[in-house]
Amino acid sequence: QVALTQSPSASASLGASVRLTCTLSSGHSTYAIAWHQQQPEKGPRYLMTVNNDGRHTKGDGIPDRFTGSTSGAERYLTISSLQSDDEADYYCQTWDTGIVVFGGGTKLTVL
Amino acid sequence: QLQLQESGPGLLKPSETLSLTCTVSGGSIRSSSFYWGWIRQPPGKGLEWIGTINYSGGTYYSPSLKSRVTISVDTSRNQFSLKLTSVTAADTALYYCARHRDSSWDFHLWGRGTLVTVSS
Repeated sequence: QVALTQSPSASASLGASVRLTCTLSSGHSTYAIAWHQQQPEKGPRYLMTVNNDGRHTKGDGIPDRFTGSTSGAERYLTISSLQSDDEADYYCQTWDTGIVVFGGGTKLTVL
Repeated sequence: QLQLQESGPGLLKPSETLSLTCTVSGGSIRSSSFYWGWIRQPPGKGLEWIGTINYSGGTYYSPSLKSRVTISVDTSRNQFSLKLTSVTAADTALYYCARHRDSSWDFHLWGRGTLVTVSS
């Protein structure tokens, strides 16, 4: 069964860039994944879907500062020009026939 | 603009059945292009998929919860529902409803969530 691995935490300075990583389990490197943002005390918000060819499709209203990319089994979310309200938990999500899987989430701290 | 809203009792006792409803507004649940799901998040923890249903009633459940979960759809009320039997404290969580496409199961629209606490 497909699984996703995320680092528990990341940090970067205000105005800088940060790249978050989501790793697909062995044998599932071609799977697309979705990124979701969860700000403190709020529900998740869909950011984008990243395909295995590196193309990404964003949700409505997601700023250009958020981009997705791919390298092998890794899917990335890059946030540039970090703002204070980017401080949040970021979850990746994928799916297989009849099943949905979430990564454990990365807590991003903006310094 | 389509919106999802969860509703249901916020406090249950152990062994009771959790029942939640998600009301879809601003659009129809009767689209073959979209599927409707439930996800939960225990306090301080990550997201866990519970299950998904399509407009015709086809269901898909998490293997770890399958024995206790039933998801149903009521197209006349533009709602879909979650039932989870024999709850314990481990089922205490924020419960979210969400939508994904039939061709791509990325949840692109989420409700705000509702907290369910299981306590004696």
